[in-house]
Amino acid sequence: QVQLVESGGGVVQPGESLTLSCGASGFTFSSYGLHWVRQAPGKGLEWVAFILHDGSNNFYADSVKGRFTISRDNSKNTLYLRMNSLRPEDTAVYCCVKDNSHYAMDVWGQGTAVTVSS
Amino acid sequence: QTVVTQEPSFSVSPGGTVTLTCGLSSGSVSTTHYPSWYQQTPGQGPRTLIYNTNTPSSGVPDRFSGSILENKAALTITGAQAEDESDYYCMLSMGVGIWMFGGGTKLTVL
Repeated sequence: QVQLVESGGGVVQPGESLTLSCGASGFTFSSYGLHWVRQAPGKGLEWVAFILHDGSNNFYADSVKGRFTISRDNSKNTLYLRMNSLRPEDTAVYCCVKDNSHYAMDVWGQGTAVTVSS
Repeated sequence: QTVVTQEPSFSVSPGGTVTLTCGLSSGSVSTTHYPSWYQQTPGQGPRTLIYNTNTPSSGVPDRFSGSILENKAALTITGAQAEDESDYYCMLSMGVGIWMFGGGTKLTVL
């Protein structure tokens, strides 16, 4: 079945960096755009970043622009999120999500937790 | 900056009908925002309910429907069931490559 599995979360100090990965299976990875969405403890969903199916373009929320980089390796069916200059407000569960090609999301990973704290 | 607005909470009786809305702090929601709706139960990941304003996602019960009502996107649950007690999020396409979620509505069924 269609599956997305995130990894790479952990506890880091403010200003440090972290890279998240998301492995995909069950669908033609190179045919779909992918998102990162995060949810801070007790808060709502926040869209973070999106990358086109072929990696030719990517987009970011203002809150992470210039600090986070989304990328993908279609030969490995893997999505990445490189997070630099982390702040306490970046503390959240980060989920990778498949785009359904209709301006929406249809398959969600379970997420990986990132904690930024000194 | 424009914010996507949702009712913080709503309550419905079992078997009743409830309409949750999704608006913009500045301007109207239309089909060109491609509204989508997501359900999240405590401790679980989100589940896609509706996309492109009113298209149900695969496997979604037909008691869930989407529309545009008075310049807002709307999610209507007709014949609410106990298992519908969840958080509901709308998401809007705000331009090329930009999406925004609403703050979510906590729905209680009692």
